[in-house]
Amino acid sequence: KQEVTQIPAALSVPEGENLVLNCSFTDSAIYNLQWFRQDPGKGLTSLLLIQSSQREQTSGRLNASLDKSSGRSTLYIAASQPGDSATYLCAVRPDGATNKLIFGTGTLLAVQP
Amino acid sequence: DAGVIQSPRHEVTEMGQEVTLRCKPISGHNSLFWYRQTMMRGLELLIYFNNNVPIDDSGMPEDRFSAKMPNASFSTLKIQPSEPRDSAVYFCASSPQGLYNQPQHFGDGTRLSIL
Repeated sequence: KQEVTQIPAALSVPEGENLVLNCSFTDSAIYNLQWFRQDPGKGLTSLLLIQSSQREQTSGRLNASLDKSSGRSTLYIAASQPGDSATYLCAVRPDGATNKLIFGTGTLLAVQP
Repeated sequence: DAGVIQSPRHEVTEMGQEVTLRCKPISGHNSLFWYRQTMMRGLELLIYFNNNVPIDDSGMPEDRFSAKMPNASFSTLKIQPSEPRDSAVYFCASSPQGLYNQPQHFGDGTRLSIL
């Protein structure tokens, strides 16, 4: 059974710092992996999607990497800003036959001005 | 461009009452998902539909939960009778079917409190 873990559960950093969020999954046979952002009282917003054949994806100050063999993904945020404060969730799609996503429990990020 | 629309945003009701949550997916999206989010269990998939047909309902916790999608623009999640442990935030999401590398788009959720 696929399990997705995110460590740490919470992280506080000063503005301007570069940071890394971690996501681990137990079964390396995945179809893709996605990173989402969730603001308080809101739904999830997709940030980056990495296909199983890819190693990384970039969007602005965000860079997500994927290492299937070790069951790990990281989300790198450069030059963090207070507006980056949110909960970040990773989700694994186990296979291409279904649309199911298995979510991690998230990392609550606070960027202090 | 309208996103996924859920109603109501908040629902407070007494134990034993019937609760109906509503969702309007993004136009043109053929897949629709219902999730439940709690502090203890995180985000869990309850059921999803492709072209209005339920594909996987293995996440539906009990027979008290039911979901329907009568047409491409509307879905409901019903709990009858409701219990305090059903208190959670319920999200609806949609995506284009068949394009499995397209992300799911989430609504803002319904915060349900069962007293």
